[in-house]
Amino acid sequence: GQSLEQPSEVTAVEGAIVQINCTYQTSGFYGLSWYQQHDGGAPTFLSYNALDGLEETGRFSSFLSRSDSYGYLLLQELQMKDSASYFCAVQNQAGTALIFGKGTTLSVSS
Amino acid sequence: NAGVTQTPKFRILKIGQSMTLQCTQDMNHNYMYWYRQDPGMGLKLIYYSVGAGITDKGEVPNGYNVSRSTTEDFPLRLELAAPSQTSVYFCASSYSGTSAPTSSYEQYFGPGTRLTVT
Repeated sequence: GQSLEQPSEVTAVEGAIVQINCTYQTSGFYGLSWYQQHDGGAPTFLSYNALDGLEETGRFSSFLSRSDSYGYLLLQELQMKDSASYFCAVQNQAGTALIFGKGTTLSVSS
Repeated sequence: NAGVTQTPKFRILKIGQSMTLQCTQDMNHNYMYWYRQDPGMGLKLIYYSVGAGITDKGEVPNGYNVSRSTTEDFPLRLELAAPSQTSVYFCASSYSGTSAPTSSYEQYFGPGTRLTVT
């Protein structure tokens, strides 16, 4: 089966850089996804890494190391609006659905 | 283009009652999903569907049923509601692509249904 581990909470100040780690165990691996969820809202897709390396999208970057079964989400120039929960996810064995981690709550203070 | 819509937004059920949570998407996505999210927890996959007439169990299917008669709709049925089913329920959809792995990594979520069973 699939399982994912990520820290439960991370705190940072505005303007800082924060890294949210995710380690996974899967019976078949296609790629690592990241989602953002503001309190009470719907999750929204941030990024997907199928290959090793860093993918950059504006202030957010995502990294994957397939050999280490590890990835991270890097948030730069933090803003108050980045306070949210962040989830990593992997696809199931058939590649047809996602299995999510428990999420990391990021609190950004001024 | 409304995306994924869910009804109702809120519902309180008594133990033993039944209800159907509705989910509709207008993006012509083949894949649809139901998740539940307990407070402070991640999303748990209940059921999913890769197309009309095809459904499969996720991580936590017990106590739920689904059907998929059209591409647009994917209702979730709760029979004999229990307090353990108090949760927020999210429906999602994704484009299927043409081969594995599919684009299931990018899912579009509805706003959720907040269900309390007392």
